[in-house]
Amino acid sequence: QVQLVQSGAEVKKPGASVKVSCKASGFTFTNYFFHWVRQAPGQGLEWMGVINANGGTTNYAQKFQGRVSMTRDTSTDTVYMDLSSLRSNDTAVYYCSSGYTFGDFDYWGQGTLVTVSS
Amino acid sequence: FMLTQPHSVSESPGKTVTISCTRSSGSIASNYVQWYQQRPGSAPTTVIYEDNQRHSGVPDRFSGSIDSSSNSASLTISGLRTEDEADYYCQSYDNNNVVFGGGTKLTVL
Repeated sequence: QVQLVQSGAEVKKPGASVKVSCKASGFTFTNYFFHWVRQAPGQGLEWMGVINANGGTTNYAQKFQGRVSMTRDTSTDTVYMDLSSLRSNDTAVYYCSSGYTFGDFDYWGQGTLVTVSS
Repeated sequence: FMLTQPHSVSESPGKTVTISCTRSSGSIASNYVQWYQQRPGSAPTTVIYEDNQRHSGVPDRFSGSIDSSSNSASLTISGLRTEDEADYYCQSYDNNNVVFGGGTKLTVL
């Protein structure tokens, strides 16, 4: 069955970077787009960007440009999201989601809590 | 563009509820609309994709539609059950950007 399994919770200090992974299984990895979406405590969903697993091209939300990097490893069917220069308001649950087309979010990972605190 | 949803809706078990999602600029019909359900403490799950297609395993009590005259999309849930109580988010996109609505809290009381 389709699964997206994300890495575990992280605690980071302000100014640091975090790298979250998302391992896919149950479908052909390179046929899909992978989005990253975050949700701050008590808030709604916020789109961060997308990577096309076929070729690795990326598209980032303007808010995160210069601070986010999304990559993929086709040998392990895993995508990664790097967020740098962390601040306290980056504290959120980060989700990966796969979609067959750019606008789709078919399946979701379980989420990774990133806490930024001094 | 933005997608605007009501902050909350409530209805009784067995009844029907409709959640709206209004696009601020550009045509609602120009890009597909998706709907997601998120129960407390859980990841979102896909309910509706491509305006009105039910995701795998979603009961036919859930339906989606768009209305060009009001430039909005709607999620309708009939035969409400207590387990439908959750946050619901609409989502669409344009050339290189994905937008989520602010979410609607559905209370089934």
